[in-house]
Amino acid sequence: NAGVTQTPKFRILKIGQSMTLQCTQDMNHNYMYWYRQDPGMGLKLIYYSVGAGITDKGEVPNGYNVSRSTTEDFPLRLELAAPSQTSVYFCASSSQGGQSPLHFGNGTRLTVT
Amino acid sequence: GQQVMQIPQYQHVQEGEDFTTYCNSSTTLSNIQWYKQRPGGHPVFLIQLVKSGEVKKQKRLTFQFGEAKKNSSLHITATQTTDVGTYFCAGDVTGNQFYFGTGTSLTVIP
Repeated sequence: NAGVTQTPKFRILKIGQSMTLQCTQDMNHNYMYWYRQDPGMGLKLIYYSVGAGITDKGEVPNGYNVSRSTTEDFPLRLELAAPSQTSVYFCASSSQGGQSPLHFGNGTRLTVT
Repeated sequence: GQQVMQIPQYQHVQEGEDFTTYCNSSTTLSNIQWYKQRPGGHPVFLIQLVKSGEVKKQKRLTFQFGEAKKNSSLHITATQTTDVGTYFCAGDVTGNQFYFGTGTSLTVIP
């Protein structure tokens, strides 16, 4: 099994551009999450989903949007990219939300200049 | 809002020395998980603690969950160079999401 797959691995955006970070999982997990990790910092939750068609805001949702049309996919949309969104983005999934381990993708390193 | 703090932020040890990182939450947690992130990698799940006062061991790693379920610790005995990385605790409050600690970066000097 591939687990959690994120694309792209790296991306450079200009200020004001938009992009979608892709995340897909093949473990049939209901719960999916997007985190951002700034250098030397912990992970901050951006958005999460408890199942297809259901999404909710995390700690730092401003500037981002998500959708969850299928169990497998949970894309993260950045509109009007800003330098403050330069970060490493991790997608994760779990079978039982807060009761089970998070499985992380390899991350997307995004730079906004 | 929910906060999970970890100390220390950085720790340098000689190989063979012990290492401990502490995690403190501002609110009571339903459970706590620990993750390890190697440089350039993604967090990898180590363990989950659920019960008040719980202690679990994995070889040289010992994990504790406080009696009040607001703090936790990870202790590594006789560190090895393979232990290098950042250790995060992650606390669950709502049942749906984890709040990650700030992490402790461990450097092991051979």
